[in-house]
Amino acid sequence: EIVLTQSPGTLSLSPGERATLSCRASQTVSGSYLAWYQQKSGQAPRLLISGASRRATGIPDRFSGSGSGTDFTLTISRLEPEDCAVYYCQQYSSTPRTFGGGTKVEI
Amino acid sequence: EVQLVESGGGLVQPGGSLRLSCAASGFTFSRYWVRWVRQAPGKGLEWVANIKPDGSETYYVDSVRGRFTISRDNAKNSADLQMKSLRAEDTAVYYCTRDSGPLDYWGQGTLVTVSS
Repeated sequence: EIVLTQSPGTLSLSPGERATLSCRASQTVSGSYLAWYQQKSGQAPRLLISGASRRATGIPDRFSGSGSGTDFTLTISRLEPEDCAVYYCQQYSSTPRTFGGGTKVEI
Repeated sequence: EVQLVESGGGLVQPGGSLRLSCAASGFTFSRYWVRWVRQAPGKGLEWVANIKPDGSETYYVDSVRGRFTISRDNAKNSADLQMKSLRAEDTAVYYCTRDSGPLDYWGQGTLVTVSS
């Protein structure tokens, strides 16, 4: 089973600042089959990024994903107040599909 | 518009049963895997079960195998999660998702509370 470790646990930043979220895998995530989700309080998660770097439909371009192998990053270039949420990474290269523990972004 | 709507959650006693349903619309349901994901209160996301587009294969997380059964009816564009022998640790919001590799669409979730 691939274990995903997200850091930091909580990120406290101001509007307009840049947020960098890390997701580290215990084994190589083949094919860069890694996704990022955003979950706002009281809502279902929403897909942001798939294939490590491909933005989902309707996702603003201030969200970007990068990385390969075992190290992946989600970057929010200019934080907006509505970006306050918990962000999860997930690998879908091997079974069982696993999620990281999440990073909470406070603004 | 793609929509997934879960129903069937509620309060159940330990050892009891519950059946969750997921009604899908806005896409060709029979072409996609369906995956149930749960989230315990204040916790992260956990895959529970998934089913192949034609229903011929199903998979479960170890903690629910033998107690939960996932099924689907492509004619009705729906998927179910039958849960038996429920435990306190099954308490969570259960989400139905469309599995395209990444989980590209999620329902709003249904809360299952296992408590006496």
